[in-house]
Amino acid sequence: GAVVSQHPSRVICKSGTSVKIECRSLDFQATTMFWYRQFPKKSLMLMATSNEGSKATYEQGVEKDKFLINHASLTLSTLTVTSAHPEDSSFYICSARSGTGGGYSNQPQHFGDGTRLSIL
Amino acid sequence: SQQGEEDPQALSIQEGENATMNCSYKTSINNLQWYRQNSGRGLVHLILIRSNEREKHSGRLRVTLDTSKKSSSLLITASRAADTASYFCATDSGGGNKLTFGTGTQLKVEL
Repeated sequence: GAVVSQHPSRVICKSGTSVKIECRSLDFQATTMFWYRQFPKKSLMLMATSNEGSKATYEQGVEKDKFLINHASLTLSTLTVTSAHPEDSSFYICSARSGTGGGYSNQPQHFGDGTRLSIL
Repeated sequence: SQQGEEDPQALSIQEGENATMNCSYKTSINNLQWYRQNSGRGLVHLILIRSNEREKHSGRLRVTLDTSKKSSSLLITASRAADTASYFCATDSGGGNKLTFGTGTQLKVEL
């Protein structure tokens, strides 16, 4: 159980294109999902916390107008990289936490398989 | 900012040997988690240890937590080539249930 599906797995596109990445919790409901960015051989950097039915909470230094997050349902969050440029090339990973309300504490996060974004 | 620093950054061992990775963190935590990442893939949860626990086992994995030293270790016993991956510690300090990841250890298990 607790499967998170992320799509697409790889995107190659031209500079200036907007790219949408989907993150779905397949067998559980997730009121909160998380979006990370990872550079080669580096750790995960949290970009934002996606909350179902409300605005995402962005980490310091992350441009909210650049990285649009929509969490329209309990099983789907999307990250749109707007007007992508080569410096946006990276590995983007989403995660979700199962459990509800107070059950979130001391629960692991379940990760998608990531999206490799390459901007030419 | 990175909460956790992991040591060593890279580790190469022979199959059958034990692998030990260490993680240090800076602030108080609710729990500490270990994840594994195969190259180009997402993360897989391995084990979660709560702040009031000192040791936890899961199969060939053994995790310790020393909150006084703000450190944790992950031991993989009888390693296999399939254990080759990057291993990350992550701390949950409350406040929105966010995780802060360490720098990771790249483990290579050779036949």
